[in-house]
Amino acid sequence: AQRVTQPEKLLSVFKGAPVELKCNYSYSGSPELFWYVQYSRQRLQLLLRHISRESIKGFTADLNKGETSFHLKKPFAQEEDSAMYYCAPKGGKSTFGDGTTLTVKP
Amino acid sequence: DADVTQTPRNRITKTGKRIMLECSQTKGHDRMYWYRQDPGLGLRLIYYSFDVKDINKGEISDGYSVSRQAQAKFSLSLESAIPNQTALYFCATSALDVREGERTGELFFGEGSRLTVL
Repeated sequence: AQRVTQPEKLLSVFKGAPVELKCNYSYSGSPELFWYVQYSRQRLQLLLRHISRESIKGFTADLNKGETSFHLKKPFAQEEDSAMYYCAPKGGKSTFGDGTTLTVKP
Repeated sequence: DADVTQTPRNRITKTGKRIMLECSQTKGHDRMYWYRQDPGLGLRLIYYSFDVKDINKGEISDGYSVSRQAQAKFSLSLESAIPNQTALYFCATSALDVREGERTGELFFGEGSRLTVL
């Protein structure tokens, strides 16, 4: 079964500091992973997917097959980045990670 | 804009009552899903449907049932609600990305239905 784990439920950083939200996966085959974000009072939405290798809102995520990780990074956090972040395999029938609540303090 | 709509948005009910949460979408997507979100437990899949005649159990289907009335509608029912079913429920859809010739796997979520069972 495709599984991802997010070891940190809560993460707090100051504005302007780098931030890294961790995601590890443990399944065979070629993983296709996504990051979703849920801002306060908004619905879950796709942030980025590894296959597109894009930077969205300053966030990037690289698939590291050696470490089986797909960490989400941003060099300078902003207050508007405060949200719940989920790591998930491609497709809706796979289990999401437990989520990390990021708080960016002023 | 094409959207995923959930009703009701909030519901308070009593133990033993039958509850239905409805999801409709105007995206034209064929795949629909129901998830449950609990604090500290993330998002867990209850049921999913790849088309009108296809219904599949997810990770936590016990105590729930679903109905895919049409491509655009996917309802979740709690036949006899119990307090530990108090949660935020999300409907989602996904579809084939014709441009890429394969499914992108991106999910599009509704705004959620908050259910409280007393």
